[in-house]
Amino acid sequence: DAMVIQNPRYQVTQFGKPVTLSCSQTLNHNVMYWYQQKSSQAPKLLFHYYDKDFNNEADTPDNFQSRRPNTSFCFLDIRSPGLGDAAMYLCATSRDHDNEQFFGPGTRLTVL
Amino acid sequence: GNSVTQMEGPVTLSEEAFLTINCTYTATGYPSLFWYVQYPGEGLQLLLKATKADDKGSNKGFEATYRKETTSFHLEKGSVQVSDSAVYFCALSDQSYGQNFVFGPGTRLSVLP
Repeated sequence: DAMVIQNPRYQVTQFGKPVTLSCSQTLNHNVMYWYQQKSSQAPKLLFHYYDKDFNNEADTPDNFQSRRPNTSFCFLDIRSPGLGDAAMYLCATSRDHDNEQFFGPGTRLTVL
Repeated sequence: GNSVTQMEGPVTLSEEAFLTINCTYTATGYPSLFWYVQYPGEGLQLLLKATKADDKGSNKGFEATYRKETTSFHLEKGSVQVSDSAVYFCALSDQSYGQNFVFGPGTRLSVLP
């Protein structure tokens, strides 16, 4: 089945220790998104790629970076995680900007 | 800018009760409208969508009608089950505004046996 896969499902890191979350898709969609979701809140868009074009949200901290080496994969790098970065990180894809988004299961990040 | 407002939760219902979760939106263009559901510990799943006025989206017994005159997209289900317990997000996509998805704050539904 075509799908969006996120690894790992659970990630524990230490304060200030860089961490990378990964997302892959078999849908061959043009757009890939990274969201941060904290408890009992709506997902907050961090950035997205349309093909290779990177689009950063204005209020996304510099601590968060992303890479998309090819159509199928996209990575979220958190350079120096703080306690406030503990959250669920959701990857999503869409065929184009105005199509529905397909979400992965998420990676829950814990910062100790 | 564009925005989505949902009724505040949590909503607690007994099994087989009728469900309505209100959603209203503000948009400058002609958005597509969506309902997503999130079960505990999981990502969001598309529940239904409507892309133009008067369209009705439906799936798994849930329905929502795109009402342009009232800028609403209320979610309804005639008879809820315990397995419907989840958080429901209303969302819009308005490409004419050059904007990606805008999610509402979510409404938590708990269905009791």
